[in-house]
Amino acid sequence: DGGITQSPKYLFRKEGQNVTLSCEQNLNHDAMYWYRQDPGQGLRLIYYSQIVNDFQKGDIAEGYSVSREKKESFPLTVTSAQKNPTAFYLCASSPRSNEQFFGPGTRLTVL
Amino acid sequence: EDQVTQSPEALRLQEGESSSLNCSYTVSGLRGLFWYRQDPGKGPEFLFTLYSAGEEKEKERLKATLTKKESFLHITAPKPEDSATYLCAVYYRVNKFYFGSGTKLNVKP
Repeated sequence: DGGITQSPKYLFRKEGQNVTLSCEQNLNHDAMYWYRQDPGQGLRLIYYSQIVNDFQKGDIAEGYSVSREKKESFPLTVTSAQKNPTAFYLCASSPRSNEQFFGPGTRLTVL
Repeated sequence: EDQVTQSPEALRLQEGESSSLNCSYTVSGLRGLFWYRQDPGKGPEFLFTLYSAGEEKEKERLKATLTKKESFLHITAPKPEDSATYLCAVYYRVNKFYFGSGTKLNVKP
């Protein structure tokens, strides 16, 4: 069953903590993306990767980090430097920067 | 300035009442325009890709069209299960994506 999985579905972070959101795809897509969605706003691009071991900053990369050691996996770390991390995080993948297919999302809340 | 604007922000329809959602864009070097449906608390679901002005795509009660400045998502005889937020996104230049903020559609029985 091909698709994109994200875990956990809900995540709670204390002040000063780093947390990592998981994203896995078995669609054999080259490109993967991380977006942040806030109420009433469009999706904003955090990071993207077109190929293993390479990734680029998006529009709002400050306070986030990523890695792409495997084609299937693109984890996102929300660091303590991100001052307002409460949001809905979406991972997507696409075949060669074409239409993107999204995972179910992770809702991160700061306690 | 690169921009994607969706209108209206919210739309309430009676079941069977057809209407259109608008996505206008001001980007150079458009390479594709995408429509998605998003249900509350879920990831967007891909609907259509349009590549050039004049192109149309249909799926059940939905039809997407594209001009040089905007795209329309026409909904014919909507049902309550069509209620969702509809997002458009543009892919332009090299690896540039821009999502609109969406239109929240509510179809009442």
